Amino acid sequence: EVQLVESGGGLVQPGRSLRLSCAASGFTFDDYAMHWVRQAPGKGLEWVSGISWNSGSIGYADSVKGRFTISRDNAKNSLYLQMNSLRAEDTALYYCAKDIRSSIAARPGSFDYWGQGTLVTVSS
Amino acid sequence: QSALTQPRSVSGSPGQSVTISCTGTSSDVGGYNYVSWYQQHPGKAPKLMIYDVSKRPSGVPDRFSGSKSGNTASLTISGLQAEDEADYYCCSYAGSPDWVFGGGTKLTVL
Repeated sequence: EVQLVESGGGLVQPGRSLRLSCAASGFTFDDYAMHWVRQAPGKGLEWVSGISWNSGSIGYADSVKGRFTISRDNAKNSLYLQMNSLRAEDTALYYCAKDIRSSIAARPGSFDYWGQGTLVTVSS
Repeated sequence: QSALTQPRSVSGSPGQSVTISCTGTSSDVGGYNYVSWYQQHPGKAPKLMIYDVSKRPSGVPDRFSGSKSGNTASLTISGLQAEDEADYYCCSYAGSPDWVFGGGTKLTVL
């Protein structure tokens, strides 16, 4: 059974940093691209960032480019999101999502498994 | 990238069919055959219902179907059931790499 478990969320002041983690199990982690997708309270979904199976291709939404960094450790079956210079508008539930494919560039995929999310609240 | 445009709400009676539209541009929906649809029940994580415009993942009922014409994609749910009541989001690859979601549609089963 595929499982994605996010952690690392919490309350943080504007301008500070936070690192999210996603522990994956139930599938061959290094065969698939992975993504972070967020959902502000009462709002819709927003793609944040994606990374190919070997970290060879990485992408970011314009809203987080230059502030967030996605990474993965295939030996630990883990996905990360380093979030710096956080803003109030970054407040959201952050989901880790598995891609149906291995690359985010050669043949883009979709998100077939999602975690339950970790809540990030940016407020003073 | 601007969000894809979806109707805020649609409704239908049990057994009927409903179609949810998703309008983008030639830079996203119209430019790639990588449109997907997600179902989200309150308090739950999204669930993939359609990928690559019209393909259904294993386990998704064939009552759900997807299509695309030009810059508009559509999700059709036939034989509506009470459990179909949920929010539905479309999503399209938009190059770079980049993905863009629609604003979401609330489906009410009357």
